[in-house]
Amino acid sequence: GDSVTQMEGPVTLSEEAFLTINCTYTATGYPSLFWYVQYPGEGLQLLLKATKADDKGSNKGFEATYRKETTSFHLEKGSVQVSDSAVYFCALITHSGNTPLVFGKGTRLSVIA
Amino acid sequence: EPEVTQTPSHQVTQMGQEVILRCVPISNHLYFYWYRQILGQKVEFLVSFYNNEISEKSEIFDDQFSVERPDGSNFTLKIRSTKLEDSAMYFCASSVQQETQYFGPGTRLLVL
Repeated sequence: GDSVTQMEGPVTLSEEAFLTINCTYTATGYPSLFWYVQYPGEGLQLLLKATKADDKGSNKGFEATYRKETTSFHLEKGSVQVSDSAVYFCALITHSGNTPLVFGKGTRLSVIA
Repeated sequence: EPEVTQTPSHQVTQMGQEVILRCVPISNHLYFYWYRQILGQKVEFLVSFYNNEISEKSEIFDDQFSVERPDGSNFTLKIRSTKLEDSAMYFCASSVQQETQYFGPGTRLLVL
């Protein structure tokens, strides 16, 4: 079945450091890919998405590129802030029927000043 | 900006009791979903709902669970006889088409 694998956390970075959170997927067909973020005590917020190969999703300084050849959708940010501390979830949805989002396990990011 | 809302934000119940979790999806959305997240674990799909019927459900969504759209705006998840292992954060989501899903803030359910 479809699945998403994320790098294990937690990830601890100093402010202004470069962030990469790896995400790879297995899916039938050509899924759409998403990153959701969960700030402490809050729900899931859509951070960015990409719907086809080579698309780049971006938002709030975060970027991820849909790489079909490596089945990856790694999340990057050039300079993290303390306010970026959260859990980040990679997810996919396929387009065969009313299928649900399939989530990775999440990666907790802590940014220290 | 329209958003998905959920009530209550927290619910504490005794094992064996029934609970109803409520959601108001974004008004022009057609697809509705429930997910849950047990503390520290991944977000898991429970059920999807379209055109007033269940379109897909996971193996978690057994006979104890039911969903309803009683009045054209609310979308509810009922757990008939709660178990300890039902303790989790329950998220409602909605989408216009079978694509980008927008999540509510969640209801934290604690079963004692």
